[in-house]
Amino acid sequence: DQQVKQNSPSLSVQEGRISILNCDYTNSMFDYFLWYKKYPAEGPTFLISISSIKDKNEDGRFTVFLNKSAKHLSLHIVPSQPGDSAVYFCAASGEDYGGSQGNLIFGKGTKLSVKP
Amino acid sequence: NAGVTQTPKFRILKIGQSMTLQCTQDMNHNYMYWYRQDPGMGLKLIYYSVGAGITDKGEVPNGYNVSRSTTEDFPLRLELAAPSQTSVYFCASSYKGTLKQFFGPGTRLTVL
Repeated sequence: DQQVKQNSPSLSVQEGRISILNCDYTNSMFDYFLWYKKYPAEGPTFLISISSIKDKNEDGRFTVFLNKSAKHLSLHIVPSQPGDSAVYFCAASGEDYGGSQGNLIFGKGTKLSVKP
Repeated sequence: NAGVTQTPKFRILKIGQSMTLQCTQDMNHNYMYWYRQDPGMGLKLIYYSVGAGITDKGEVPNGYNVSRSTTEDFPLRLELAAPSQTSVYFCASSYKGTLKQFFGPGTRLTVL
């Protein structure tokens, strides 16, 4: 039973436009969320995170929005660049899933392709 | 800093063989993790450690063993390889009390 869902396996966007990647979760006890980016043949790298006490966090071209009532978060990339082409994983943490040990639960990922 | 390093990068095993996947980090992180990623799937936690001498099971521990004798090293042992263990294995580490994990480049393992 997936607790973190990324329902779109892939997304294609034109360079310069906005990319919106979505993530849904089922456990209302999750209190911290992260996005990771992964290039082929490399390990995931941390991109941006958000605590459940916030509804938005920005870092340059990347913004994460959290809607707790809908159990939904999204990652916005503006403007999208070809170098953003990668797989993006959403991850969540909560005390009942080992959050105090730093444990994360990952979604299946969304492959973003940004076309020049 | 090299960050998190993993060896080997690739390995092919026969059913029933054993091997150890190596993981080392030079960031003095307390916490270390082993994940596996199957095609089209997210990362699943195999084992984790919150410090030297302390390990615990994650979501999918069966068929694996770990040890943590030093802060830097966290090897993952497969005793009797099975085709179901064909996967990409990632090691990660983090500072105590944070959720930002740093990942190694992965080991691609095939069991035939």
